[in-house]
Amino acid sequence: GAVVSQHPSWVICKSGTSVKIECRSLDFQATTMFWYRQFPKQSLMLMATSNEGSKATYEQGVEKDKFLINHASLTLSTLTVTSAHPEDSSFYICSARDLRLPGTQQYFGPGTRLTVT
Amino acid sequence: LAKTTQPISMDSYEGQEVNITCSHNNIATNDYITWYQQFPSQGPRFIIQGYKTKVTNEVASLFIPADRKSSTLSLPRVSLSDTAVYYCLVGERTNAGKSTFGDGTTLTVKP
Repeated sequence: GAVVSQHPSWVICKSGTSVKIECRSLDFQATTMFWYRQFPKQSLMLMATSNEGSKATYEQGVEKDKFLINHASLTLSTLTVTSAHPEDSSFYICSARDLRLPGTQQYFGPGTRLTVT
Repeated sequence: LAKTTQPISMDSYEGQEVNITCSHNNIATNDYITWYQQFPSQGPRFIIQGYKTKVTNEVASLFIPADRKSSTLSLPRVSLSDTAVYYCLVGERTNAGKSTFGDGTTLTVKP
């Protein structure tokens, strides 16, 4: 089946620094990618939708200047958490869809654990 | 976006069949129903997807009534390794076809 990878799998950074998380579709072209955030014991919260070659669409309440998303190719999307603070510590998960396939299945990455100290 | 409602938790024993029902009363004509499984600190894993009637694969079955306002995920003969959170998603197949995760159902399988 389709595989989505994320890098890094975990990262620890100091408050005020920026962190970039990569999401790659390894064996298919992803026309649409989604970025989620998940806090402990909670469900996934959609942050933004990115379509290849166009600007990301952010969900209400998500600061686009803080969470920079770039989807420059059909296999790579990046999420940059700028000026990270401890409250940004969370589990970030990306997913990818290939609209050339039937259905609406999303292929999820393994997630990235971000800890801001 | 269609909102989904699932039981918060369910308990079962090894070897039993488990049925998890999801309500999605305002499902739209173009919406598909997809179920995912998530283990702690991992990304969700696709289980099954359907549009109407019944779908079966090697791990589960999905039952969707004619009005499509609900769906039931059926897991045959569960094992301890099936302990996880199960999410029902409803979404459409367009460029903006995002899906919203509900609270999910935490299934605990006991020996």
